[in-house]
Amino acid sequence: DVKVTQSSRYLVKRTGEKVFLECVQDMDHENMFWYRQDPGLGLRLIYFSYDVKMKEKGDIPEGYSVSREKKERFSLILESASTNQTSMYLCASSYRDRDSPLHFGNGTRLTVT
Amino acid sequence: QKEVEQDPGPLSVPEGAIVSLNCTYSNSAFQYFMWYRQYSRKGPELLMYTYSSGNKEDGRFTAQVDKSSKYISLFIRDSQPSDSATYLCAMKDTGGFKTIFGAGTRLFVKA
Repeated sequence: DVKVTQSSRYLVKRTGEKVFLECVQDMDHENMFWYRQDPGLGLRLIYFSYDVKMKEKGDIPEGYSVSREKKERFSLILESASTNQTSMYLCASSYRDRDSPLHFGNGTRLTVT
Repeated sequence: QKEVEQDPGPLSVPEGAIVSLNCTYSNSAFQYFMWYRQYSRKGPELLMYTYSSGNKEDGRFTAQVDKSSKYISLFIRDSQPSDSATYLCAMKDTGGFKTIFGAGTRLFVKA
């Protein structure tokens, strides 16, 4: 089974802090993704990466950056956390084939106070 | 207008009922259609994956795609309390990396 592991289940941070969310997958997937999930809005794509050191903006990249130094690891960075970034953050991965479905981690519930 | 529309529910049914969950979409380029199940405080897990139009069956679950109507459905037969979860439809076209999700339907199956 594919395993996508997110380092934290719950995080509480203060406004203005720099926040790192880590994701590791063990299936040698080429593609990795970061989504946020909010009630009524569904899942929205923040950033994705189709290869090491490559990154592409999704639909809502403002206020976020990403890093992919190794194939299995994809990090989401909130440069200066704000209260409107309080959300559930979901990491996903898939094979290179564009028809390959996403496999998700269990999410990180981030609260910014 | 959202690309994918899904009734958020909640939908409450008695154990053993047949459940019908639906999504409509506007982008005719979508070719791959998925259903994910998400339990509370967990990530979405892939339940069904279909390509283009037609039906696909897996145990108690049947996925249907009607591309002419831009409408997809998930049927759950003999529903169980363990089916209580949020069900997300998702779809993508052949050209890109992006998967587009519906907002999810919350399902409660009562024993």
